[in-house]
Amino acid sequence: GAVVSQHPSWVICKSGTSVKIECRSLDFQATTMFWYRQFPKQSLMLMATSNEGSKATYEQGVEKDKFLINHASLTLSTLTVTSAHPEDSSFYICSAVAQAGDTQYFGPGTRLTVL
Amino acid sequence: DQQVKQNSPSLSVQEGRISILNCDYTNSMFDYFLWYKKYPAEGPTFLISISSIKDKNEDGRFTVFLNKSAKHLSLHIVPSQPGDSAVYFCAATLTGTASKLTFGTGTRLQVTL
Repeated sequence: GAVVSQHPSWVICKSGTSVKIECRSLDFQATTMFWYRQFPKQSLMLMATSNEGSKATYEQGVEKDKFLINHASLTLSTLTVTSAHPEDSSFYICSAVAQAGDTQYFGPGTRLTVL
Repeated sequence: DQQVKQNSPSLSVQEGRISILNCDYTNSMFDYFLWYKKYPAEGPTFLISISSIKDKNEDGRFTVFLNKSAKHLSLHIVPSQPGDSAVYFCAATLTGTASKLTFGTGTRLQVTL
C-alpha cells in the first residue's frame, strides 16, 4: 500500500514553455501533498505544501506565480512550471500523507530539462 | 541555512560489516527524525524514524540512535548488504507542522563485496 505516482517521469521542454507534473496517491486519500526539488548532489528542498481544496503554502524564496500548485482532489496534486527556463531544470518529487503527522510517501520523481 | 547536515557525502563499507551514517541538526525544536533511502531517479523510501522522547529505535538490521544534547543522530546498518547501496537522507520535523520535513544533504553508501 501507500503508493504515490508521478507523471511524467521525465520531460524536456523549450525555454518559455509551461510544464505540468501530476502527483497521485494510488491507494489512499492524501489530505496533504508536498512538492520538493532536488538539484544534483544536493538535498531535497521543500517548495510548497498543498492541502486539498485550499491554496498551497510556499516556502520562502519559491515564486508562487511561477510554480502553480493545484490540489483539486484527495488523490491528485499538480505542479505547473510556468515559462520554464534552464535554471528550472531539476528533479521534482512529490510526497503525500493521509493525515497530518503521518509518514510521507514519495513519488518516483520527475526529471525536468529545460533547453 | 542548512538545519540538518550530513557531513559525510559518501561512505564505503564491506559487505557484512556495520555501516554508520551520521546526521547533525541545529534546530533544537525538531522532535521527530526520519531516515530515507534513495536510489537514482527514484523518490525516497522511508526506512526508520525516532521520536525525541527516545534515544534508540531498532527495526531489523537498522537502528537509529538519537543524542539530543549533541543534536546528533546516527543510522546503523548491520550487517551491510550490497542492496543497501544507495543515498541515505536524514530528515527532521516539528510536531504540529503537518509532516513538513527538513532534509539533510545525503550520504552515498557503497557496500562492497
